[in-house]
Amino acid sequence: DAGVTQSPTHLIKTRGQQVTLRCSPKSGHDTVSWYQQALGQGPQFIFQYYEEEERQRGNFPDRFSGHQFPNYSSELNVNALLLGDSALYLCASSLVQGYQETQYFGPGTRLLVL
Amino acid sequence: AQSVTQPDIHITVSEGASLELRCNYSYGATPYLFWYVQSPGQGLQLLLKYFSGDTLVQGIKGFEAEFKRSQSSFNLRKPSVHWSDAAEYFCAVEGGATNKLIFGTGTLLAVQP
Repeated sequence: DAGVTQSPTHLIKTRGQQVTLRCSPKSGHDTVSWYQQALGQGPQFIFQYYEEEERQRGNFPDRFSGHQFPNYSSELNVNALLLGDSALYLCASSLVQGYQETQYFGPGTRLLVL
Repeated sequence: AQSVTQPDIHITVSEGASLELRCNYSYGATPYLFWYVQSPGQGLQLLLKYFSGDTLVQGIKGFEAEFKRSQSSFNLRKPSVHWSDAAEYFCAVEGGATNKLIFGTGTLLAVQP
């Protein structure tokens, strides 16, 4: 049973560039959430996608956008990169079951902005 | 607003000793609570979760946690720590209608031989 996968594993960009990160959910899951984890911090919720729609959003600027495809995989796009966007980006998948959802995380994509 | 506090930034224990990691949450109703573990450079692995029912929850790798509503706590315990348990541990709360996880700042566990 394949778990959550993310690509790429590492990425280096320069300020002002744009980046796209990808996530494939655990088999049978229909919901994808994205989190940003800065060094030494806990993960911070960016947004969540369900049925190809943004279900809810955290306190992140519009430079952060996403998409969910019919096969439930998802992309996170960040425009106009800032140095402060350097972080580990984690994708988590879950299955909608009322309110009791358990999120399973992928290995993350480490982004470095120079 | 929901929040999670992990008072201990760093803990060192000897191999074979018992372990308790503290977690306090702030949430108006009954929360859904989780513990995740993160090894260096890795993603988060779910250790255990609490939705309802028995307040003592068993997880993987010999970990357990107890939900205490009166203390707004969900502390993680293990009776005998192994060197492979060295990692960072995160407590998280998910509140009702919102499905996002709110994480604490983590506790870094070091295990001495």
